[in-house]
Amino acid sequence: RKEVEQDPGPFNVPEGATVAFNCTYSNSASQSFFWYRQDCRKEPKLLMSVYSSGNEDGRFTAQLNRASQYISLLIRDSKLSDSATYLCVVTGGGYQKVTFGTGTKLQVIP
Amino acid sequence: DVKVTQSSRYLVKRTGEKVFLECVQDMDHENMFWYRQDPGLGLRLIYFSYDVKMKEKGDIPEGYSVSREKKERFSLILESASTNQTSMYLCASSLPGQGTDNEQFFGPGTRLTVL
Repeated sequence: RKEVEQDPGPFNVPEGATVAFNCTYSNSASQSFFWYRQDCRKEPKLLMSVYSSGNEDGRFTAQLNRASQYISLLIRDSKLSDSATYLCVVTGGGYQKVTFGTGTKLQVIP
Repeated sequence: DVKVTQSSRYLVKRTGEKVFLECVQDMDHENMFWYRQDPGLGLRLIYFSYDVKMKEKGDIPEGYSVSREKKERFSLILESASTNQTSMYLCASSLPGQGTDNEQFFGPGTRLTVL
């Protein structure tokens, strides 16, 4: 089983739609969780950290479920500019160990 | 503005050549990382360093070595390049610790082709 798993997609959604991605992780000792965004032919950039209590940043909501070992990202009112690959990142379970998921591709369609 | 730079955007080398990929960060970060990114496999950690002259193997260190002589610079070395090392190489840096301190800042990447 992969340490961090994501549905690769692509998710093709119309503008204005709500879309959700999940990411599961296998190491129960994992400590920190993040969503990164990677545009085509660009480097990944931090979208948001994921806290146990859940957190929201505008149209984006991230949640963590430690019992089931998954994190989620919800995007409301999708924009064309949201089209990108979303990478789930899990750290901990070893000194500064960092593991990236393979990413979920989102395509927002006019 | 935070910045991670990589020495080349595109590089073409021949099998058996020794290849150096350089990464420099200007944020005084302790941690630095080298990844490779391949379609369907995502980012895979090759090596990381949490301090000058310190290094730790990541998930796929075979065929690679690293050097961290100065805090701001982290070099990835392919001792004898092979065609299966054709990939996008991404360098990143971060502060130590947990939570938001673990945000990684990435360089623009080096697309390496080994012929």
